[in-house]
Amino acid sequence: NAGVTQTPKFRVLKTGQSMTLLCAQDMNHEYMYWYRQDPGMGLRLIHYSVGEGTTAKGEVPDGYNVSRLKKQNFLLGLESAAPSQTSVYFCASSGTGISSPNQPQHFGDGTRLSIL
Amino acid sequence: KQEVTQIPAALSVPEGENLVLNCSFTDSAIYNLQWFRQDPGKGLTSLLLIQSSQREQTSGRLNASLDKSSGRSTLYIAASQPGDSATYLCAVRQAGGFKTIFGAGTRLFVKA
Repeated sequence: NAGVTQTPKFRVLKTGQSMTLLCAQDMNHEYMYWYRQDPGMGLRLIHYSVGEGTTAKGEVPDGYNVSRLKKQNFLLGLESAAPSQTSVYFCASSGTGISSPNQPQHFGDGTRLSIL
Repeated sequence: KQEVTQIPAALSVPEGENLVLNCSFTDSAIYNLQWFRQDPGKGLTSLLLIQSSQREQTSGRLNASLDKSSGRSTLYIAASQPGDSATYLCAVRQAGGFKTIFGAGTRLFVKA
């Protein structure tokens, strides 16, 4: 029962470095999402995808890029990391078929990212 | 702009007590409302999802209600157990799009 798998689980970066967070789901879900969770701010949507080859901006997209080349994978990239991007990043997926928008979101365990 | 508020921010109850967690939202144009549980250092686990046309959903000891017109949802937990200790989050899916707005959560502690 893999569900949604995020790698890596922890990472420390220096300001200006780049990295990619990987999210993989094995539930054949159409929709995938990247969120960040910060103390006192709740979860905020960074980017999302409604299907293979599509991406769209969420609430806080600046400083991040995403790609969905395969249906099961959703990549989140930080081109030039900044201390303000220190956070816990969660990937989620949902939806199969025509009722996709109204189906529950399933979350990974998160990636804890620190930018020094 | 949709805002989701959860009250109380933290709650401590003795084992066996029935309790209610509250979630309110400002814009009634929603697809659905979802309740999640988050354990420390972990991801979110979906508990219940209520469609905008529904009034309530039940799963085991959990019952979630939705009053879209007043912008309120409640999560009722019956006969609470120490294993229920976690943070409970509600999230509203906006109608006409894919944006989901989360509340800040209620941290629940059930004392044995």
